[in-house]
Amino acid sequence: DIVMTQSPDSLAVSLGERATINCKSSQNVLYSSSNTNYLAWYQQKPGQPPKLLIYWASTRESGVPDRFSGSGSGTDFTLTISRLQAEDVAVYYCQQYYSTPLTFGGGTKVEIK
Amino acid sequence: EVQLVESGGDLVQPGRSLRLYCAASGFSFDDFAVHWVRQAPGKGLEWVSGIGWNSALIGYADSVKGRFTISRDNAKNSVYLQMNSLRPEDTAIYYCAKDITAGWLRFMDSWGQGTLVTVSS
Repeated sequence: DIVMTQSPDSLAVSLGERATINCKSSQNVLYSSSNTNYLAWYQQKPGQPPKLLIYWASTRESGVPDRFSGSGSGTDFTLTISRLQAEDVAVYYCQQYYSTPLTFGGGTKVEIK
Repeated sequence: EVQLVESGGDLVQPGRSLRLYCAASGFSFDDFAVHWVRQAPGKGLEWVSGIGWNSALIGYADSVKGRFTISRDNAKNSVYLQMNSLRPEDTAIYYCAKDITAGWLRFMDSWGQGTLVTVSS
């Protein structure tokens, strides 16, 4: 199974500042024939189901603000919130879909400093 | 509007069985794979199982393999999760989620609100 490890577990960022979340996979999730990374990011606010933010490592889902961006390749990935807003307080998860079982990272809690 | 509505969650004793239901609407149901993802109280997300559009592709997490069975009825726009030999560690909110593809298990672009399963004596 591919193990997804996120860091940090939590972070506090001032409004308008940048938040950076890391995700590392235990195996490569880059499908070489298509040069595509099988990695998604989700946002989960308290009491709500997760919401898809990013897929194929860097493609934003429709309606997601452009302050959210994804980067990385192979085994190391990053979710960046360029200018943190109050409504971005949530837990963020990465997920690999390169192989089953599908696996999620442990989550990163983002709070306002 | 895509809607996924889970039901069937309950308090059950260890070793007993439970069947979860997911009713889908607002999209062409038989064009997409569907998943069950769970979240234990205060914990992270765990993929449980997924099923392709025609049930030819099915996958399970190691933690539930042999105990849980996923199925779907495209005529009823529904997905089911039969859970047998339940354990306290199966206690969680169970979410039904729609995949972006028909015949692969990839990622989830729409989620239901979840149904709570509690396994306790």
